[in-house]
Amino acid sequence: RKEVEQDPGPFNVPEGATVAFNCTYSNSASQSFFWYRQDCRKEPKLLMSVYSSGNEDGRFTAQLNRASQYISLLIRDSKLSDSATYLCVVTNRAGNNRKLIWGLGTSLAVNP
Amino acid sequence: DAMVIQNPRYQVTQFGKPVTLSCSQTLNHNVMYWYQQKSSQAPKLLFHYYDKDFNNEADTPDNFQSRRPNTSFCFLDIRSPGLGDAAMYLCATSRVGEWDQPQHFGDGTRLSIL
Repeated sequence: RKEVEQDPGPFNVPEGATVAFNCTYSNSASQSFFWYRQDCRKEPKLLMSVYSSGNEDGRFTAQLNRASQYISLLIRDSKLSDSATYLCVVTNRAGNNRKLIWGLGTSLAVNP
Repeated sequence: DAMVIQNPRYQVTQFGKPVTLSCSQTLNHNVMYWYQQKSSQAPKLLFHYYDKDFNNEADTPDNFQSRRPNTSFCFLDIRSPGLGDAAMYLCATSRVGEWDQPQHFGDGTRLSIL
């Protein structure tokens, strides 16, 4: 089983739609969780951290379920500019440091 | 203001010709990372520096080396690039102890091998 798993998609949705991505992780001791967004041929950019209580940033809502070991990202009122790959990232303790474990990403295409 | 700067943005080299990619940061972060990312794949950690301590991933080829002469700079040296080394190389930084903070990425260097 992969350490972090995502549905690769692609998700094709019309503008204005609501879309949700899930991500599961295998290490129950994982410490922190993030969603990154990556545009084609660009570097990953942090979209949002994911907190235990869930958090919202504008049209984006992230949830964490530690019992079931998954995180989710909900995008409301999709815009064309939301088209990108969304990468789920989990950090695990590695000695005094931490290690990022990346999902392969979920591709989103928002269509006019 | 760019905080993690990678140079160059695009690098073309010949098969077997050594190449060096550079990364600098203005964040004064203890930890610097090098990732390799190929098309449709997640970033793959090659190695990282915790201050001056070098930590190599078990599956990083010997062809890849790194230097960190000071806190601000880190270099990725590819001694004899092969066609399979063509990829985006990403540098990232973080601060030890801030486990809930994300890594900061540079824009990446896209390496092509002729």
